Amino acid sequence: AQSVTQLDSQVPVFEEAPVELRCNYSSSVSVYLFWYVQYPNQGLQLLLKYLSGSTLVESINGFEAEFNKSQTSFHLRKPSVHISDTAEYFCAVSPSGGYQKVTFGTGTKLQVIP
Amino acid sequence: DSGVTQTPKHLITATGQRVTLRCSPRSGDLSVYWYQQSLDQGLQFLIQYYNGEERAKGNILERFSAQQFPDLHSELNLSSLELGDSALYFCASSAQTGGNSPLHFGNGTRLTVT
Repeated sequence: AQSVTQLDSQVPVFEEAPVELRCNYSSSVSVYLFWYVQYPNQGLQLLLKYLSGSTLVESINGFEAEFNKSQTSFHLRKPSVHISDTAEYFCAVSPSGGYQKVTFGTGTKLQVIP
Repeated sequence: DSGVTQTPKHLITATGQRVTLRCSPRSGDLSVYWYQQSLDQGLQFLIQYYNGEERAKGNILERFSAQQFPDLHSELNLSSLELGDSALYFCASSAQTGGNSPLHFGNGTRLTVT
């Protein structure tokens, strides 16, 4: 079984400030890790993913996440947020073998303050 | 645009009734997933189909059922509806069943049970 913990349900941050959204996971097997973003009245969209290789992965809009196996974490960071980053962010984990059974965290609402 | 189409966008119905939610996956995707999103439960996995066959079951109630048709579209049937079934229901699709294949979400069907 696997689980995902997003400790922060809401994170307010001023525009152009840095932000970190925390994600910790638990799994008895190797996993793939994902961050999805949900804008208001929309479905979830893939933001970035870690499958293998470099532990630091980046998205096209400036977000990055680092896979830390020893700490079982996959925190999401952005050095300078924009108003348009206001959304809910979901961390997700999937076992690396067998059928896909994606487990999502409870989500973190990022509120960017002008 | 994720390429996943869900209909209807909104559904309002009374307790005890039955509804059908429809999902057309992204072109070429063989896997379809159903999720329920509510304020108190977060994003809950319901069920997964791959090329017409059920592959995984999550927290799906016995009052709920789903199927995937030969043309790969899927339907989620909810019966004997209760107030607590009010939620956003998302369909997602992926190319494969493996954990490294990202999910592509539709914009959801908002179900309100009165």
